[in-house]
Amino acid sequence: DSGVTQTPKHLITATGQRVTLRCSPRSGDLSVYWYQQSLDQGLQFLIHYYNGEERAKGNILERFSAQQFPDLHSELNLSSLELGDSALYFCASSVGGARNNSPLHFGNGTRLTVT
Amino acid sequence: AQSVTQLGSHVSVSEGALVLLRCNYSSSVPPYLFWYVQYPNQGLQLLLKYTSAATLVKGINGFEAEFKKSETSFHLTKPSAHMSDAAEYFCAVSDQNSGYALNFGKGTSLLVTP
Repeated sequence: DSGVTQTPKHLITATGQRVTLRCSPRSGDLSVYWYQQSLDQGLQFLIHYYNGEERAKGNILERFSAQQFPDLHSELNLSSLELGDSALYFCASSVGGARNNSPLHFGNGTRLTVT
Repeated sequence: AQSVTQLGSHVSVSEGALVLLRCNYSSSVPPYLFWYVQYPNQGLQLLLKYTSAATLVKGINGFEAEFKKSETSFHLTKPSAHMSDAAEYFCAVSDQNSGYALNFGKGTSLLVTP
């Protein structure tokens, strides 16, 4: 058990809809990272938050947004969903921010299916 | 940006045989490198990490990796494969340009046959 909790485990929704994925990092971790895993694209970094502030963006679509709350949990919001958004979405946490190279600890992911 | 390339999307070994999973990195600065394993329907689990303290890094489950700067490689090995090693393995490099997010390779699926 990595200590990172993601909910829900599975999500099935229709095209055009909006969903919210939730992540609780390990106790004490200030950094949260979101990744998308699909068969064709592999593991893609989406966005990084550190202690409530956005620190870096990766291949995140404009239809997607995230935030990290004062209690350090994070939410990833996906809107105007398309079939191609179907994927596994992972959250990872680590102790450090931009100046710390600690490893990332991953949750078990949320499997999103868009029909 | 720092990146890694994993050679071989699928590797098959017999139980008890040597496991060798290849990873080459591209980085303009000394890299921080990682190997992760993913079992079916699970998240990624850290196997080991290289942070310049030693070129040979030992990880969990009997795995180790050697950092070779001259070859820009960080290959993962295990002397004797076990059936339980069957999984997807990912090499990753820490990208200082994205808050030290990890850039992952495409992954190598390891199959262990009896």
